[in-house]
Amino acid sequence: NAGVTQTPKFRVLKTGQSMTLLCAQDMNHEYMYWYRQDPGMGLRLIHYSVGEGTTAKGEVPDGYNVSRLKKQNFLLGLESAAPSQTSVYFCASIPGGGRVKNTEAFFGQGTRLTVV
Amino acid sequence: ILNVEQSPQSLHVQEGDSTNFTCSFPSSNFYALHWYRWETAKSPEALFVMTLNGDEKKKGRISATLNTKEGYSYLYIKGSQPEDSATYLCAFRGANSNDYKLSFGAGTTVTVRA
Repeated sequence: NAGVTQTPKFRVLKTGQSMTLLCAQDMNHEYMYWYRQDPGMGLRLIHYSVGEGTTAKGEVPDGYNVSRLKKQNFLLGLESAAPSQTSVYFCASIPGGGRVKNTEAFFGQGTRLTVV
Repeated sequence: ILNVEQSPQSLHVQEGDSTNFTCSFPSSNFYALHWYRWETAKSPEALFVMTLNGDEKKKGRISATLNTKEGYSYLYIKGSQPEDSATYLCAFRGANSNDYKLSFGAGTTVTVRA
C-alpha cells in the first residue's frame, strides 16, 4: 500500500498564481486533514473532511479552499497565492467508525511550497 | 480554536540524561491524545495514542502518561541518545460529536548533545 501520497512534493509559485495540492490515500480512511507547518508553530490545521463530499474549516482556513469529491482524494487549492502561504503542507488521514479512537494519523511526505 | 500547548518549546539534553516535557489540552470533552516524533524533512511518526485517564504507554526508552481530568500529558525520554533529537508533537481530539479535528501543539524540540 502506498498509504498517503501528496503531489507535488515541491513547487514555486509567483504571487497571484493558483495551484492545487493533491492528497491521495488508499486506506479507505474517512477523515482527512490539511496542515501547514511553519517554524516554531507545529502543525496548524487548514481544512479537514469527515467523509466524501464534506469539508470544514480548521484554524487557518483563509486563502485556501478544499474539495473531497472522492473518498480517497482531498484537494487543497490556493486561488491567488501570497508570500505568506510559503510553507510546508502536510496531509493526514485517520480511519472512521469504531477504529478511530486508538488509531494514529497517517501522514503524507509533505509539499514544500514557495511563493515569490 | 483549541488550546493545545507544549512546554518547553525546546530543550537541550546531555547524552545519557533523562528528560520530560508537557502537553496541555482542554480537560473537557476528551477523546484521544496523540504523540508524534518529527524530524526535519520527514513526516511525523506516531509514538502513542492515549485514550484513557491514567494511561501509561511505553516504546523503548520513551514513555508517556495521561491525565484527562486536569488536561495534561507528559512524555519521558530515558537515557537520551543523539538519535532522540527531534521535535515531539502532541495532538488532541475532542469528544464533541461535531468535532473531528486533530489539533496539534507547537512541539518541543529536543537536542541531545553527545
